Amino acid sequence: EADIYQTPRYLVIGTGKKITLECSQTMGHDKMYWYQQDPGMELHLIHYSYGVNSTEKGDLSSESTVSRIRTEHFPLTLESARPSHTSQYLCASSRADRLYGYTFGSGTRLTVV
Amino acid sequence: AQTVTQSQPEMSVQEAETVTLSCTYDTSESDYYLFWYKQPPSRQMILVIRQEAYKQQNATENRFSVNFQKAAKSFSLKISDSQLGDAAMYFCAAQGGAQKLVFGQGTRLTINP
Repeated sequence: EADIYQTPRYLVIGTGKKITLECSQTMGHDKMYWYQQDPGMELHLIHYSYGVNSTEKGDLSSESTVSRIRTEHFPLTLESARPSHTSQYLCASSRADRLYGYTFGSGTRLTVV
Repeated sequence: AQTVTQSQPEMSVQEAETVTLSCTYDTSESDYYLFWYKQPPSRQMILVIRQEAYKQQNATENRFSVNFQKAAKSFSLKISDSQLGDAAMYFCAAQGGAQKLVFGQGTRLTINP
């Protein structure tokens, strides 16, 4: 079944560690997005990509980086995790046709201790 | 720029009753789409209903319907015969032109048995 997958689902990690949050989709969507969801549940766009080798920063400044070397894969990396990075991270993808909106993954809940 | 505002941080309703969630938006685009998303606790965000701005008829999906008032830039969601499974965060979103999806702040809906 075509879908979008995020791993890990939950991650607790120590300060200073490098982490990569994985996001993969099997729908062939060109457009992919990363959102950070704060404790109040508001969504903030931190990165997006409209295709292979294309990445842009979103509306909320983030110390994370992303890459898009394959259409289906859009990982997010934190070189040195800090407690301020504790949050829920949601990955999404979309077709070129806006009618269908975005499809979201289940999210990664990151806790940095 | 687009903005989406949900003025009700929390709502509650008795099971089997009807509830309406409010949303207002602002966009300079003439061609845009509006969406309601549902995010159950610790679960994937899913699309509930969509409305194409050029269509005057309000969208309906089973127990979910919208009241789209284009001139007032209002897009409310009505949930009829509320069920316990409807408990979730609900996000209103707008997408115009080539722009990205913009989300409101969310409304937490509680269903009282």
